[in-house]
Amino acid sequence: KQEVTQIPAALSVPEGENLVLNCSFTDSAIYNLQWFRQDPGKGLTSLLLIQSSQREQTSGRLNASLDKSSGRSTLYIAASQPGDSATYLCAVSTGANSKLTFGKGITLSVRP
Amino acid sequence: GAVVSQHPSRVICKSGTSVKIECRSLDFQATTMFWYRQFPKQSLMLMATSNEGSKATYEQGVEKDKFLINHASLTLSTLTVTSAHPEDSSFYICSARHRGSSGELFFGEGSRLTVL
Repeated sequence: KQEVTQIPAALSVPEGENLVLNCSFTDSAIYNLQWFRQDPGKGLTSLLLIQSSQREQTSGRLNASLDKSSGRSTLYIAASQPGDSATYLCAVSTGANSKLTFGKGITLSVRP
Repeated sequence: GAVVSQHPSRVICKSGTSVKIECRSLDFQATTMFWYRQFPKQSLMLMATSNEGSKATYEQGVEKDKFLINHASLTLSTLTVTSAHPEDSSFYICSARHRGSSGELFFGEGSRLTVL
């Protein structure tokens, strides 16, 4: 059974800091991995999708990497801003039509 | 990115009534939609997988007669909470998989259900 872990559960950093959010999964036979952002009381916004054949994806200040063999992914946020404060969830899928298995998320707070 | 619309965003109902939540993919066709439930400060719990034109597949422990799911078209899935009770109060989120995409999922804004 696939398990996704995100540690720590919460993180507080000063504005401007570069930071890395970690995600690990137990079964390396994944199809893709997706990072999401969730603001309080809202749905999920897709940030980055990495296919199993890819090693990283970039979008603006965000960079996500994938090391499938070790079961790890990282989300790198450059020059963090207070508007980046949210919960970040990673999720993995084992097939094109398979469900996602989510981690519990990391709640990020960026202090002005 | 693709847009998934969920309605209503908030609903308050009396115990014993039924509530319907709609999930629409606005600018793409979704062969598969997923329904999740989220408790405060918890991650998403998958309730069921909904495929267009067929019966939904429910996760273990989810009552199919309690949570009725209909996926009548490639752009619409509905979740009906029947005979709602206070313990059904939760945040319900749907997601849709873009047909022909690389498997990326897009999520609705969620629906907050409060049962009095």
